[in-house]
Amino acid sequence: NAGVMQNPRHLVRRRGQEARLRCSPMKGHSHVYWYRQLPEEGLKFMVYLQKENIIDESGMPKERFSAEFPKEGPSILRIQQVVRGDSAAYFCASSPRAGVGETQYFGPGTRLLVL
Amino acid sequence: SQQGEEDPQALSIQEGENATMNCSYKTSINNLQWYRQNSGRGLVHLILIRSNEREKHSGRLRVTLDTSKKSSSLLITASRAADTASYFCATDARPGGSYIPTFGRGTSLIVHP
Repeated sequence: NAGVMQNPRHLVRRRGQEARLRCSPMKGHSHVYWYRQLPEEGLKFMVYLQKENIIDESGMPKERFSAEFPKEGPSILRIQQVVRGDSAAYFCASSPRAGVGETQYFGPGTRLLVL
Repeated sequence: SQQGEEDPQALSIQEGENATMNCSYKTSINNLQWYRQNSGRGLVHLILIRSNEREKHSGRLRVTLDTSKKSSSLLITASRAADTASYFCATDARPGGSYIPTFGRGTSLIVHP
């Protein structure tokens, strides 16, 4: 059973370009979470999705950021018109169920660098 | 604001020594989890302790929880160089109404061989 997959592992973009980060959850997991981590800091929750639904996007910036988890295929975190402040590691996690105490399984992350 | 905050921010010890990390949080929780992150990697779940538990063990790991003080500690006994990593506590705060682990800034542990 493959773990959570994220690609690309590293992404370099110039200011104003778009960044697309992909996450394939573990097999059988229908809950996906996206986090952002700045250097020397913890993970900041961004968005929680189930198949075809956004459950909680309270951590998502109001502009330029969007996320989806289609019926088929990976979850996508999309950042439009990137700025230098978007440079960070973006982690995806998945779980088989929602609820108290469910363990999240993390992917290796995508490191975004905006020049 | 962060729900959990780890202390110390950094810890440097010799192999064989014990390492203790603390986590404080602000609001009531249902459970608290500890995760580990090796440099450049994703987080790995270590242990979960529920609010009605006071202590839990897993191998060389010992976690305590004091809900009256809103704090938890992670003890790694007989540390090894391979334990070098960042350690995060996560509480089940509900930023938007969902049960989602909320992470602190982490403790960076270095174990010297």
